[in-house]
Amino acid sequence: EIVLTQSPGTLSMSPGERVTLSCRASQSILSSYLAWYQQKPGQAPRLLIYDTSTRATGIPDRFSGSGSGTDFSLTISRLEPEDFAVYFCQQYSGSPRTFGGGTKVEIK
Amino acid sequence: EVQLVQSGVEVKKPGESLRISCKVSGYNFTNYWIGWVRQMPGKGLEWLGIIYPGDSDTRYSPSFQGQVTISADKSISTAYLQWSSLKASDTAIYYCARHRRNIYSGHDPFQHWGQGTLVTVSS
Repeated sequence: EIVLTQSPGTLSMSPGERVTLSCRASQSILSSYLAWYQQKPGQAPRLLIYDTSTRATGIPDRFSGSGSGTDFSLTISRLEPEDFAVYFCQQYSGSPRTFGGGTKVEIK
Repeated sequence: EVQLVQSGVEVKKPGESLRISCKVSGYNFTNYWIGWVRQMPGKGLEWLGIIYPGDSDTRYSPSFQGQVTISADKSISTAYLQWSSLKASDTAIYYCARHRRNIYSGHDPFQHWGQGTLVTVSS
């Protein structure tokens, strides 16, 4: 099973700042099969990024993903008020599919 | 418009059985993998498994194999998650979700999500 470790657990940021979230895999993720989701309280997760760096439909271009092998990241170029949420990475390369533990981006 | 509508809140006792549902619309149910994700109170997301309704091919996480059963009824475009004997540790929100593309390999993220079903198991 591929274990995904997200860091840090919580980030305290201000609107307008740039933030980078990390997702590290216990083994190499093939074909860049890594996604990022955003979850707000009381809501289902929303797909932001798939295949490491492709934005899902309707996702603003301030969200970008990068990485390869075992190290991946999600960057939000300028935090908007609606971006404060929890972010999860997920790999869909190995079986079973797995999620990272999440990073909470909170308002400083 | 793709929609996944899940059944409502459940409150059950340990040892009871349960089946929750996820009715889809807006696309051909048989052509996309659909799966289940658990979120325990205040915790992260856990992948339980997926099913391809077209041929009922089902894949489970080893952590949940034997603990739950995933099924689908093509005639009513509905996926199910069921337990034969609930435990208090099954208390969680369960989401159904559909893969992004209609590819059989299953190497795909979840694009469309249901609203979640809260299952509470308590004596």
